Amino acid sequence: DSGVTQTPKHLITATGQRVTLRCSPRSGDLSVYWYQQSLDQGLQFLIQYYNGEERAKGNILERFSAQQFPDLHSELNLSSLELGDSALYFCASSVRSWTSASSYNEQFFGPGTRLTVL
Amino acid sequence: AQKITQTQPGMFVQEKEAVTLDCTYDTSDPSYGLFWYKQPSSGEMIFLIYQGSYDQQNATEGRYSLNFQKARKSANLVISASQLGDSAMYFCAMRESETSGSRLTFGEGTQLTVNP
Repeated sequence: DSGVTQTPKHLITATGQRVTLRCSPRSGDLSVYWYQQSLDQGLQFLIQYYNGEERAKGNILERFSAQQFPDLHSELNLSSLELGDSALYFCASSVRSWTSASSYNEQFFGPGTRLTVL
Repeated sequence: AQKITQTQPGMFVQEKEAVTLDCTYDTSDPSYGLFWYKQPSSGEMIFLIYQGSYDQQNATEGRYSLNFQKARKSANLVISASQLGDSAMYFCAMRESETSGSRLTFGEGTQLTVNP
């Protein structure tokens, strides 16, 4: 168990609908990342928030939006859903870790939300 | 251009043997990090090992080691003494300059099957 929680685990909806995916990071982690894993695109980065502010943006569609709230949980909103949006959506949070020569953000992934658009 | 390339869609190994999963990367950033993640059939992503571009020694974590060849831009994962539970999809990922956040760029993955 990574300590990152995501709800719901599964979501089945129809084209054109709007859904909200929720993520709670590990206690104390300020950064939240969203990734999408699909058969077509593989695993790709969508967006990162740090302490409520957008930090980095990846291949996130305009129909998608995200935010991080003061309690650090995050939501990913997907609207006007298309069949191609069916995917596993991961949230991750990170903690600073060190090697002998460098530091890095070790990302801990939640279990994911599997979205099926029919 | 692909930033992370994993050329082995599938690999097979006998239990207790060692296996090497290949990963090559492309970046012009002098400061970067390389990660390996394991994704079992249950779907979760499990962090295995990290190598920073300035780290002089190859990273090791238990049965996992990273064979880092900077000049060749390769970061192969070596799993020693394979176990049945090692059967999973393995992803190589890169983090470029942290000034643009800590996003990870993933390869397409290698499906490892450990045979008894």
